[in-house]
Amino acid sequence: SQELEQSPQSLIVQEGKNLTINCTSSKTLYGLYWYKQKYGEGLIFLMMLQKGGEEKSHEKITAKLDEKKQQSSLHITASQPSHAGIYLCGADKTGANKLVFGAGTILRVKS
Amino acid sequence: DAGVIQSPRHEVTEMGQEVTLRCKPISGHNSLFWYRQTMMRGLELLIYFNNNVPIDDSGMPEDRFSAKMPNASFSTLKIQPSEPRDSAVYFCASNPGDRTSDEQYFGPGTRLTVT
Repeated sequence: SQELEQSPQSLIVQEGKNLTINCTSSKTLYGLYWYKQKYGEGLIFLMMLQKGGEEKSHEKITAKLDEKKQQSSLHITASQPSHAGIYLCGADKTGANKLVFGAGTILRVKS
Repeated sequence: DAGVIQSPRHEVTEMGQEVTLRCKPISGHNSLFWYRQTMMRGLELLIYFNNNVPIDDSGMPEDRFSAKMPNASFSTLKIQPSEPRDSAVYFCASNPGDRTSDEQYFGPGTRLTVT
């Protein structure tokens, strides 16, 4: 979706390295969702951010939402091969849980 | 819980044929969503239901597409007649619908190929 811009489009990192994926909207969001998808499978929910300045962590993945609620970043610390996949950000722009998604970031982790 | 169940997982059909995709949401979930994923357009919301009622079908691409939810545990997405450009992965997702959880739980998807 052009309503959400994700960057980079793809990323190859060496195992153990840190990385950041960004998601930007031109409009204020009610909520920002991060999902992970492996090829041929459905989406796995990672976390959801709703408040400006909010930050959440799960294991080695941290997501932040800026104060204006227009940009989010997903940071992976000490990447592992299990982190490989497609990361999608989704935005709720109306508060009705109707999501639009970014194009996704393909992450490959080299052992 | 088995999660969201979709069938079939793969469907290959010829242009002009009718295709029916099926979804069983998680028991107790009141909201159900149908998405389509393609390389060109990414993941798009087609339609969503709340308490079996279609709330927003603005994402349905054409009249060839129709979706129903006859009861709380079953939904179908039908394409008639199908065209090669309908080839995509179709996902169904469900959510409690009562704001107790914002997460949408996705099924494994149906990979549709129209030749």
